[in-house]
Amino acid sequence: KQEVTQIPAALSVPEGENLVLNCSFTDSAIYNLQWFRQDPGKGLTSLLLIQSSQREQTSGRLNASLDKSSGRSTLYIAASQPGDSATYLCAVSGTNSKLTFGKGITLSVRP
Amino acid sequence: ETGVTQSPTHLIKTRGQQVTLRCSSQSGHNTVSWYQQALGQGPQFIFQYYREEENGRGNFPPRFSGLQFPNYSSELNVNALELDDSALYLCASSLDRNIQYFGAGTRLSVL
Repeated sequence: KQEVTQIPAALSVPEGENLVLNCSFTDSAIYNLQWFRQDPGKGLTSLLLIQSSQREQTSGRLNASLDKSSGRSTLYIAASQPGDSATYLCAVSGTNSKLTFGKGITLSVRP
Repeated sequence: ETGVTQSPTHLIKTRGQQVTLRCSSQSGHNTVSWYQQALGQGPQFIFQYYREEENGRGNFPPRFSGLQFPNYSSELNVNALELDDSALYLCASSLDRNIQYFGAGTRLSVL
């Protein structure tokens, strides 16, 4: 059974800091990995998707990497801003496209 | 905006009642997945519908049932509501079980 872990559960950083969010998963037989953003009480916004054959994806200030063999992914956020404050969820997909999520990391960026 | 719409936005029910949640998928998408997200947790996979057939189910009891219509919109039905059913219910649509786009969710409160 696939399990996804995100540690720590919460993180508080000053504005402008570069930061890394970690995600680990137990079964390396994944189809893809996605990072999502969720604002309080809202739905999920897809940030980056990495196919199992890829090593990383970039979008603006965000960069996500994938090491399938070790079961790890990182989301790098450059020059963090207060508007980046949200919960960040990592999810992996098997061939049946079912997503297995971590519990998320709640990020607070202090002005 | 993902083009996935869910209704209603909020719902309050009492224990033992039945509820129907609706999801309109993004144009051109033929797959709908439903997830339950309890407070402080990551979303949990309920089931998926692909071209009107159930295509995978998570660890949820039979009182959680669903339907997908010829236009690929979908319903989630929950019978005999329990207090623990209080959660945010998320619908995601995709084309041929690829990348999933999420709606804003329906917040269900069971009293």
